[in-house]
Amino acid sequence: AQKVTQAQTEISVVEKEDVTLDCVYETRDTTYYLFWYKQPPSGELVFLIRRNSFDEQNEISGRYSWNFQKSTSSFNFTITASQVVDSAVYFCALSEYGNTGTASKLTFGTGTRLQVTL
Amino acid sequence: KAGVTQTPRYLIKTRGQQVTLSCSPISGHRSVSWYQQTPGQGLQFLFEYFSETQRNKGNFPGRFSGRQFSNSRSEMNVSTLELGDSALYLCATRKGNLGMDTQYFGPGTRLTVL
Repeated sequence: AQKVTQAQTEISVVEKEDVTLDCVYETRDTTYYLFWYKQPPSGELVFLIRRNSFDEQNEISGRYSWNFQKSTSSFNFTITASQVVDSAVYFCALSEYGNTGTASKLTFGTGTRLQVTL
Repeated sequence: KAGVTQTPRYLIKTRGQQVTLSCSPISGHRSVSWYQQTPGQGLQFLFEYFSETQRNKGNFPGRFSGRQFSNSRSEMNVSTLELGDSALYLCATRKGNLGMDTQYFGPGTRLTVL
């Protein structure tokens, strides 16, 4: 069975600090997709990034960057110069193929609560 | 482009009642998935519908059911409510049903069972 582990339950930083959220996954599929979502207090899950198992190129988008390492089954997410508005719960997720052969289901980690204070 | 819409946003029901939640997808999205989020179990997959057919189902009892209409809108129903059904129910939609298709989530329906 597929599994996503986010070992960090809660992280507190002061504004402008850099913070890295860890994600480790397990899957037997050779083709899979990894996602990061952000859940602010309003409750809606906001999509941040998607990566497929063939694309290990790391990416930087503004203050966000992602580090995908297939060799260690990790997909970490870094926020540079954090801001109070970054406070939210961040979820790492893995797509899973159902019995129909299509990727129907997202398996989520337990989430990391990020608190950014002034 | 309008996002995923879920109605109602909040619901309070009592044990034994039934409830129907609605999800309207982003225009052009044909796949709708439902997830349950609780503090104890986290985010769990309920089921997915694509072209009015259920494509995959999670490990939930038969009290949880759903359907999808020809316009891709979806409803989920929970019968004989239990206290443990109190949760945030999130709907996610995407264009197709392949792994590369990103799921976009609605704001959720917060269900409280008393």
